[in-house]
Amino acid sequence: QGQLVESGGGVVQPGRSLRLSCAASGFTFNNYGMHWVRQAPGKGLQWVAVIWNDGSNKYYADLVKGRFIVSRDNSRNILFLEVNNVRAEDTAVYYCARADMGYKNNAYYNYGMDVWGQGTTVTVSS
Amino acid sequence: IVLTQSPGTLSLSPGERASLSCRATQSLSSSYLAWYQQKPGQAPRLLIYGASTRATGIPDRFSGSGSGTDFTLTISRLEPEDFAVYYCQLSSSSLYAFGQGTKLEIK
Repeated sequence: QGQLVESGGGVVQPGRSLRLSCAASGFTFNNYGMHWVRQAPGKGLQWVAVIWNDGSNKYYADLVKGRFIVSRDNSRNILFLEVNNVRAEDTAVYYCARADMGYKNNAYYNYGMDVWGQGTTVTVSS
Repeated sequence: IVLTQSPGTLSLSPGERASLSCRATQSLSSSYLAWYQQKPGQAPRLLIYGASTRATGIPDRFSGSGSGTDFTLTISRLEPEDFAVYYCQLSSSSLYAFGQGTKLEIK
């Protein structure tokens, strides 16, 4: 079925950078798109970024565009999120999630985010 | 595209039927719409994708419907474990977003 384990969270000062990781196991990593989703304390889910299975397409939420960078290493089955110039509003639990998505016969398909990690907490504080 | 869920909170009793709404600001393909359940302290769980297809292992009391701008998640007979927060979610080829969530609480 698959497992995702995030790491890299912690307390970070405003303006600094950090890199989150998501280690995948139990499935063929390079067959799946991967998302980052975050949740601020007491708030709802906020979609952050997606990278397609082969890294060919990357999309970001407007709130993080230009500061966050999503990447993946399919040889090591790891997803990354580089968070730059962190702000107080970046404080959240960050989840990675697997998505069966892509193109078949030139038609886009998406079967949802069916495997999630347990999340890693980022706290921005001076 | 913005997804707006209603109501914000729904208070019902076990055994009752729940209807949760998700409205989009623009018409979207039903294949782009998913529903998730989240319980406190847990990661979200995929319930429905393609607006109406249940994910693996999801009980058949959960159903999804809708098209265009209006989508609905229905829970036919509430079980105690169904009380949680529910989110709709858009995944087009280049647009992605969550609704703000509906909290389903025990009356």
